[in-house]
Amino acid sequence: EDQVTQSPEALRLQEGESSSLNCSYTVSGLRGLFWYRQDPGKGPEFLFTLYSAGEEKEKERLKATLTKKESFLHITAPKPEDSATYLCAVRSGGYNKLIFGAGTRLAVHP
Amino acid sequence: ETGVTQTPRHLVMGMTNKKSLKCEQHLGHNAMYWYKQSAKKPLELMFVYNFKEQTENNSVPSRFSPECPNSSHLFLHLHTLQPEDSALYLCASSQGTAQDTQYFGPGTRLTVL
Repeated sequence: EDQVTQSPEALRLQEGESSSLNCSYTVSGLRGLFWYRQDPGKGPEFLFTLYSAGEEKEKERLKATLTKKESFLHITAPKPEDSATYLCAVRSGGYNKLIFGAGTRLAVHP
Repeated sequence: ETGVTQTPRHLVMGMTNKKSLKCEQHLGHNAMYWYKQSAKKPLELMFVYNFKEQTENNSVPSRFSPECPNSSHLFLHLHTLQPEDSALYLCASSQGTAQDTQYFGPGTRLTVL
């Protein structure tokens, strides 16, 4: 059965303290791994798509990497405005069906 | 309006009420989705529509009834809901259903009393 596990469940950082979020997955034939950011009371906002092991993508202070079993979202020198829940999802199956993890709640304090 | 919009943003209903959630996408996409997001649980896919045709029903109870009159609009009709149906209901759209990124609306926060 396809499964996505994110860790940690919650993470508290000081401003400027770099860290990484983990997304481990089990899927029969990965057809894309997605990272989204979700602010309270809002819908998920698309960040990255990764398709193959070794692929990396960057956007401002965020960098996403992918191996055959997991993905990392690296946050460099975070700011308070990076506080949000970060969701990981994998695409599986014939149609565009996304399997989501439970998310990591990130809080960045000044 | 841009992106994906949802109305209402908040809804409180009794277990015997009938209500509808509305989603509209302004991105020119052909596929639309309903997801349920309960507290501390992963997003759960409910329904997928591609070119107005339902292509996925993820074992959703019949008290949830989707309708997709065209590629830009998606509805979720609700009747005789249970308190455990209280959640954030998210709509998403994508260009197609193969390799395309899904873009989400802001969601409707539903409370069933």
